[in-house]
Amino acid sequence: DAGVIQSPRHEVTEMGQEVTLRCKPISGHDYLFWYRQTMMRGLELLIYFNNNVPIDDSGMPEDRFSAKMPNASFSTLKIQPSEPRDSAVYFCASSLRYALNTEAFFGQGTRLTVV
Amino acid sequence: LAKTTQPISMDSYEGQEVNITCSHNNIATNDYITWYQQFPSQGPRFIIQGYKTKVTNEVASLFIPADRKSSTLSLPRVSLSDTAVYYCLVGDQRDYKLSFGAGTTVTVRA
Repeated sequence: DAGVIQSPRHEVTEMGQEVTLRCKPISGHDYLFWYRQTMMRGLELLIYFNNNVPIDDSGMPEDRFSAKMPNASFSTLKIQPSEPRDSAVYFCASSLRYALNTEAFFGQGTRLTVV
Repeated sequence: LAKTTQPISMDSYEGQEVNITCSHNNIATNDYITWYQQFPSQGPRFIIQGYKTKVTNEVASLFIPADRKSSTLSLPRVSLSDTAVYYCLVGDQRDYKLSFGAGTTVTVRA
């Protein structure tokens, strides 16, 4: 398996524009996570899915953020409208089952810059 | 999720052993101790996990004393490529918020 695949790797957009980040988890993994990483706040869990169903979105910072998982092989994180403070690296991760004693695999991340 | 405390940074030289200690005084009976490694511009990568005593794999060793209130990640004979941030996580299968703290930035110098 190629691992968790995220696209795009880099995104530069203007404030107010819609941004869509994409993630393809590892085949067969039941759980998918979206994280955001900044220097100030470190790695923050935004939302996670189990079998394509959102389980906990309490980490989503505002209503401007939304995430979907229409099928087991694809998820999106959308920011609309984007703001400069959304600039960060966004990671997607997947695991076979959710448990701390199960390895989570991370993608390479999407570096988002909102100007 | 048990709170963890680890040093912010550590410096080392190539060929040395690096030991990072993580404190987790309120660790629960069902909790596992997991370490992730993150290289610059990459996502975190699982490196080792343990419950008690010692665990060793091709990357690192994890030492856990009997009281489990702390753990030590040991990186033998580090190289420049081991420069990374190392995260200690403690929790069990009910802790769905796989939460990362600030981690320990390990810098290996020539």
